[in-house]
Amino acid sequence: GDSVTQMEGPVTLSEEAFLTINCTYTATGYPSLFWYVQYPGEGLQLLLKATKADDKGSNKGFEATYRKETTSFHLEKGSVQVSDSAVYFCALSDHSYSSASKIIFGSGTRLSIRP
Amino acid sequence: GAGVSQSPSNKVTEKGKDVELRCDPISGHTALYWYRQSLGQGLEFLIYFQGNSAPDKSGLPSDRFSAERTGGSVSTLTIQRTQQEDSAVYLCASSLARLANNEQFFGPGTRLTVL
Repeated sequence: GDSVTQMEGPVTLSEEAFLTINCTYTATGYPSLFWYVQYPGEGLQLLLKATKADDKGSNKGFEATYRKETTSFHLEKGSVQVSDSAVYFCALSDHSYSSASKIIFGSGTRLSIRP
Repeated sequence: GAGVSQSPSNKVTEKGKDVELRCDPISGHTALYWYRQSLGQGLEFLIYFQGNSAPDKSGLPSDRFSAERTGGSVSTLTIQRTQQEDSAVYLCASSLARLANNEQFFGPGTRLTVL
């Protein structure tokens, strides 16, 4: 079945450091790919998405490119801030119209940014 | 409010008791999803509704779990004879339609603790 594997955490960085959180996926169809973020004490929020190969999703300085050849969707940010401290989830949703578009999540990566 | 709401926010119950969790989706959203977030299992899909019908119940962990949706709006997730392994945060999400690239908006969750 479809699955998502993402970098184990926790990840601790200093403010203004470069961030990469790796994510790879396995899917039989042509999934849409997502990064969700969960800030402390808050619910899950969509951070960015990409719906087809070579699409780049971006939001709040974060970027991820849908790479079909490597089945990857790595999250990057050039300069992290303390406010980026959160848990990040890579996820996919199958494009098949014969089944529900449930989201399959990775295990989450906890990111902590030191001032 | 405009977002997905869930109640109660916290529920503590004794093993063997039944619990009901409620989800109010965003008005006009036809698709509704239940997920469970637990320490050992990460974020797991439970069930999906399109209108009042549930085409995909594949994630329900046992027959103690059931869900219904009425009027194409509010949904209730019921857990009968709760067990300690049911302790988790139960998340509800809604989206405009079942299309895979339609964003799912998540509620704040219900934290269930089974003693």
